[in-house]
Amino acid sequence: DQQVKQNSPSLSVQEGRISILNCDYTNSMFDYFLWYKKYPAEGPTFLISISSIKDKNEDGRFTVFLNKSAKHLSLHIVPSQPGDSAVYFCAARSEYGNKLVFGAGTILRVKS
Amino acid sequence: EAQVTQNPRYLITVTGKKLTVTCSQNMNHEYMSWYRQDPGLGLRQIYYSMNVEVTDKGDVPEGYKVSRKEKRNFPLILESPSPNQTSLYFCASSPLADTQYFGPGTRLTVL
Repeated sequence: DQQVKQNSPSLSVQEGRISILNCDYTNSMFDYFLWYKKYPAEGPTFLISISSIKDKNEDGRFTVFLNKSAKHLSLHIVPSQPGDSAVYFCAARSEYGNKLVFGAGTILRVKS
Repeated sequence: EAQVTQNPRYLITVTGKKLTVTCSQNMNHEYMSWYRQDPGLGLRQIYYSMNVEVTDKGDVPEGYKVSRKEKRNFPLILESPSPNQTSLYFCASSPLADTQYFGPGTRLTVL
């Protein structure tokens, strides 16, 4: 049973527009959430994170929103650039603090 | 340069032939972990280690072994590989189990 779900396998966005990637989780004990970005033939790289005590964290063009009551988080990329085309993984830290639980990933394509 | 290295990057082998994928980090991280990535399933944790000589099972440990004799190294061992272990493998390290730094991946094919 997947505890972290990314229900959109892919997303296509025009350059300059907003990209919104979504993630849902089932375990209310998760206390820390992260987004990773992955290019082909490379390992995932950390993008942005948010603690469960916050509802928003911003870093340049990237903003993560957390809605604890809905067990939902989203990543906003504004404006989207062709170089943002990659697979994005949502992850949550387990309540025991010993591992990250990843979603299946969303492929983002930014068209120029 | 701070990094996690894995070797080999690509490996084709046959069923039952023991193999080891090495992982090394130069950041003095306590925590290391192995994941496999499969289409539609994302990254699933195989094993992790909180420190030297301390290892524990992740979500999909069957068919794998690990060891942590030194802080910097965390090899993944497949004693008798099977075709269902064909996958893309990533090693990761971090000070704690949060912002993990990933290696470049090892693509394994078991025939």
